[in-house]
Amino acid sequence: AQSVTQPDIHITVSEGASLELRCNYSYGATPYLFWYVQSPGQGLQLLLKYFSGDTLVQGIKGFEAEFKRSQSSFNLRKPSVHWSDAAEYFCAVVGDYKLSFGAGTTVTVRA
Amino acid sequence: GAVVSQHPSWVICKSGTSVKIECRSLDFQATTMFWYRQFPKQSLMLMATSNEGSKATYEQGVEKDKFLINHASLTLSTLTVTSAHPEDSSFYICSAFTGRTGSKDTQYFGPGTRLTVL
Repeated sequence: AQSVTQPDIHITVSEGASLELRCNYSYGATPYLFWYVQSPGQGLQLLLKYFSGDTLVQGIKGFEAEFKRSQSSFNLRKPSVHWSDAAEYFCAVVGDYKLSFGAGTTVTVRA
Repeated sequence: GAVVSQHPSWVICKSGTSVKIECRSLDFQATTMFWYRQFPKQSLMLMATSNEGSKATYEQGVEKDKFLINHASLTLSTLTVTSAHPEDSSFYICSAFTGRTGSKDTQYFGPGTRLTVL
């Protein structure tokens, strides 16, 4: 069965600084990977997804992620964080059409 | 495109009553919908999968008689929490899936419904 690990429970970053959120997956076949963002009390918004092709994926809100098969990773990055990026971030992998989510990483942005 | 709505966004009910939550795909037809449950500060846990016109498939440990799911049309799925108890208080999120089972398409999520059972 597929699974996702997000090693960082909470990250605090200064506004304007860069951000990297880690995601490691476990899946026997070629993974289909997603990053979602959830603001407090809200549903999930898709930031980006990787199905195949270019391993560097561009998403919305200035986010990008890089798929590295050798490391079983799909880390999310943003060069310059804005205060509005404070939220919960979930990495997910699809297996048998079901999404399996990581535990999530809470991002706090300080002024 | 691909907007999913949920109604209500927040509901408070007394213990023992039943609550129905609606999930609608507004601008596309959803052949498959998913229902998730999320406890505070935790990730989403899949409860069940419903395909239009057929019975829902429940994940292990989810009581199908307590969480009734109906997917009567390509744009509407409902989750009914029957005889709700305080431990059922949670954030319920639906997602809609445009592809067929086995197709690795993208799920679009609703904004969630917060259920509080007194």
